[in-house]
Amino acid sequence: AQSVTQLGSHVSVSEGALVLLRCNYSSSVPPYLFWYVQYPNQGLQLLLKYTSAATLVKGINGFEAEFKKSETSFHLTKPSAHMSDAAEYFCAVSDPFNAGGTSYGKLTFGQGTILTVHP
Amino acid sequence: ETGVTQTPRHLVMGMTNKKSLKCEQHLGHNAMYWYKQSAKKPLELMFVYNFKEQTENNSVPSRFSPECPNSSHLFLHLHTLQPEDSALYLCASSQETTGRSSYEQYFGPGTRLTVT
Repeated sequence: AQSVTQLGSHVSVSEGALVLLRCNYSSSVPPYLFWYVQYPNQGLQLLLKYTSAATLVKGINGFEAEFKKSETSFHLTKPSAHMSDAAEYFCAVSDPFNAGGTSYGKLTFGQGTILTVHP
Repeated sequence: ETGVTQTPRHLVMGMTNKKSLKCEQHLGHNAMYWYKQSAKKPLELMFVYNFKEQTENNSVPSRFSPECPNSSHLFLHLHTLQPEDSALYLCASSQETTGRSSYEQYFGPGTRLTVT
């Protein structure tokens, strides 16, 4: 079984400050990992993904994440926060080979982290 | 239209009403999903359709009835709902290959459902 833990349900930063959103995963197989962002009253938008290529993954809007197998982590960072980054962020894990017996890449989501950016 | 679209965006219904949510994907994908997103709870996968066949039903109450007439369209028929069913209902799609999962799921904007 796979699981995802996002440390901190709320993170608050000042505009221009570093953004760090934490995600730890549990998986019995090398996973695929994703970060999604959700703006108010909207669906989830893919920020970036790790699919066993480079461990440092760059995404949209200046975000990046690093896959660290030894720490089972996939933290999301952005060097300088912008007011428009205020949203809820979800980390998710999937099994690349459907070993759980499904016919599709089942996504397991974390609880989400609400990012607030102060002027 | 591009991506995944959902209609209506907002829906208010009484507990005795019957309504349907519609999802359409314009990405050529072969799998579609319904998720429920409630306040302070993780996303809950409700149903999965792969090549138009329902492959997963996560113990969803029978008052929710999915329909997938083709690989581009997905419906969620609602009847005799309860107030606790009020939530954001998200549709997603992906491209699946036998034995190997997709790289990601693409989500629609959701339908905000309020049951009174």
